[in-house]
Amino acid sequence: GESVGLHLPTLSVQEGDNSIINCAYSNSASDYFIWYKQESGKGPQFIIDIRSNMDKRQGQRVTVLLNKTVKHLSLQIAATQPGDSAVYFCAEKRGFGGGGGNKLTFGTGTQLKVEL
Amino acid sequence: DTAVSQTPKYLVTQMGNDKSIKCEQNLGHDTMYWYKQDSKKFLKIMFSYNNKELIINETVPNRFSPKSPDKAHLNLHINSLELGDSAVYFCASSQEGQVTSNYGYTFGSGTRLTVV
Repeated sequence: GESVGLHLPTLSVQEGDNSIINCAYSNSASDYFIWYKQESGKGPQFIIDIRSNMDKRQGQRVTVLLNKTVKHLSLQIAATQPGDSAVYFCAEKRGFGGGGGNKLTFGTGTQLKVEL
Repeated sequence: DTAVSQTPKYLVTQMGNDKSIKCEQNLGHDTMYWYKQDSKKFLKIMFSYNNKELIINETVPNRFSPKSPDKAHLNLHINSLELGDSAVYFCASSQEGQVTSNYGYTFGSGTRLTVV
């Protein structure tokens, strides 16, 4: 079936190191991808997004890479800080606006732990 | 001034009871959602409403009934609660057709439902 999945359930990094969180998706029709951060007791918070006509997008300390050939995207966090500790999700949307309800399909999540 | 607010934040109830969770958004969005997050952090859409009209209903038992009195509110009523309904329920909203970053997709902070 269609799915958006993550390779690693838990990732531990040292403070100051770069973090890379990976995500695989299976639907070639997916055209919009989002990374969310979820801290304990809170709802998912938007980090960065990328459309399928791009292969890289940068934000503040974060970069998302999209490889449509192998249906893979990754989130890179530079100089990881203790405040980055959270569960990270990739999510996929098929089709822009125009109805369909903007349904998001989420991956299973990766717990990022930042060690001091 | 919370953008998407849910009440209550915690809900503990016995099997067989009927309960409701309320959600309100003040972002002026036209689409609202209910997502369920299980104990393994997996997030899955349940319902989506656009301008008070149900547009997504994802294989959810009939015991779950969403109600949208207006486009700023989406409530979730659950009848005959079962142990397996224990989860965190997230409300979210977005603006259909908005092609700026993330469609304005905003999540509430969640309602932790525990059925005993």
